[in-house]
Amino acid sequence: NAGVTQTPKFQVLKTGQSMTLQCAQDMNHNSMYWYRQDPGMGLRLIYYSASEGTTDKGEVPNGYNVSRLNKREFSLRLESAAPSQTSVYFCASQLYSLSPYEQYFGPGTRLTVT
Amino acid sequence: GIQVEQSPPDLILQEGANSTLRCNFSDSVNNLQWFHQNPWGQLINLFYIPSGTKQNGRLSATTVATERYSLLYISSSQTTDSGVYFCAVAPGGADGLTFGKGTHLIIQP
Repeated sequence: NAGVTQTPKFQVLKTGQSMTLQCAQDMNHNSMYWYRQDPGMGLRLIYYSASEGTTDKGEVPNGYNVSRLNKREFSLRLESAAPSQTSVYFCASQLYSLSPYEQYFGPGTRLTVT
Repeated sequence: GIQVEQSPPDLILQEGANSTLRCNFSDSVNNLQWFHQNPWGQLINLFYIPSGTKQNGRLSATTVATERYSLLYISSSQTTDSGVYFCAVAPGGADGLTFGKGTHLIIQP
């Protein structure tokens, strides 16, 4: 099992450009999540998908859109990148909406917006 | 939303020392996880422990849910234990995690 995979690993964008971060999991998990981590901080939730076909906003959703493409894949889109979106982005997945609620994380995508 | 506070924010120890990291949270939770973020940025699951006590090698964790805190114990520290330790909690279900700001641990040889 590869677990949770993310592409790309690194990306540099200019202000105003768009891009999509890809996330896939092969653990047959129901729920998937996008977080961002800024320097010296813990992770903050951007969006999540409790199950295929549903998405909900987290703590910091502004400037982002998401798509739950199927049970395996959950993408995060930046329509018009801003320097404030420079961050490390982590995708995570969780097996059930019943206990245990343990989440597993991908390796992260380091994004720089100039 | 739930507030999570971790202490201490920074900790520098010699190899072989023991340490205790603390996580306080402001409301009832059904998910509490401890992570180690290594120097390469990877998040490693250490414990899923919404209540009770667990041990894994030199690491152990205890959560006292009624008093809203969790402790992570690291014994006989090694340089590879260096990094940032995060506590994260959620009310349960498919809710996203709320993270603390972490404890930055440096183990010196």
